Amino acid sequence: DAGVTQSPTHLIKTRGQQVTLRCSPKSGHDTVSWYQQALGQGPQFIFQYYEEEERQRGNFPDRFSGHQFPNYSSELNVNALLLGDSALYLCASSLPSRGGNTIYFGEGSWLTVV
Amino acid sequence: DAKTTQPPSMDCAEGRAANLPCNHSTISGNEYVYWYRQIHSQGPQYIIHGLKNNETNEMASLIITEDRKSSTLILPHATLRDTAVYYCIVRGTNAGKSTFGDGTTLTVKP
Repeated sequence: DAGVTQSPTHLIKTRGQQVTLRCSPKSGHDTVSWYQQALGQGPQFIFQYYEEEERQRGNFPDRFSGHQFPNYSSELNVNALLLGDSALYLCASSLPSRGGNTIYFGEGSWLTVV
Repeated sequence: DAKTTQPPSMDCAEGRAANLPCNHSTISGNEYVYWYRQIHSQGPQYIIHGLKNNETNEMASLIITEDRKSSTLILPHATLRDTAVYYCIVRGTNAGKSTFGDGTTLTVKP
């Protein structure tokens, strides 16, 4: 049973460029969330996708956008990259059940903006 | 989601029990307590969760107070590989976002 997989694992971009990060959820999960984690801090919620729609959003500008596909996989897009966007980007998937709503994380994509 | 409070750091001797506390005084009745850990440069790893009752799995035990305002994660026999940042969060069944604090950095020493 594959867990949450993310690609690429590492990438370097230049200020002003655009980046797309990809995520495949854990098998059977239908909800995908994205988090940004700066060095030394806890993950910060960006947004959540369910049924191919953005359902909830954190305090991130419109430069951050996403998409969910019919197979539940997801993409995170960041436009007009800033140096401050350098971080670990985490994808998490979940499937609400009677026993709770556990989220499972991937290993993340390290983005460096230079 | 309710906010949680954890000590910034703790030390533990190898082979001893590590007890990590978490306060969640504003937890709602339908919110679960979840624990994750993050080893450097990796994604957070799910450890355990609970609603009211104490829980145990192969990794750890979770003790939740009767008023549900605090909990303790117990690693019964800490090893050097348990050195990590431990996060306590609360999350409802229909929750979207999860609010992570800065967690507790646990250092297991030989």
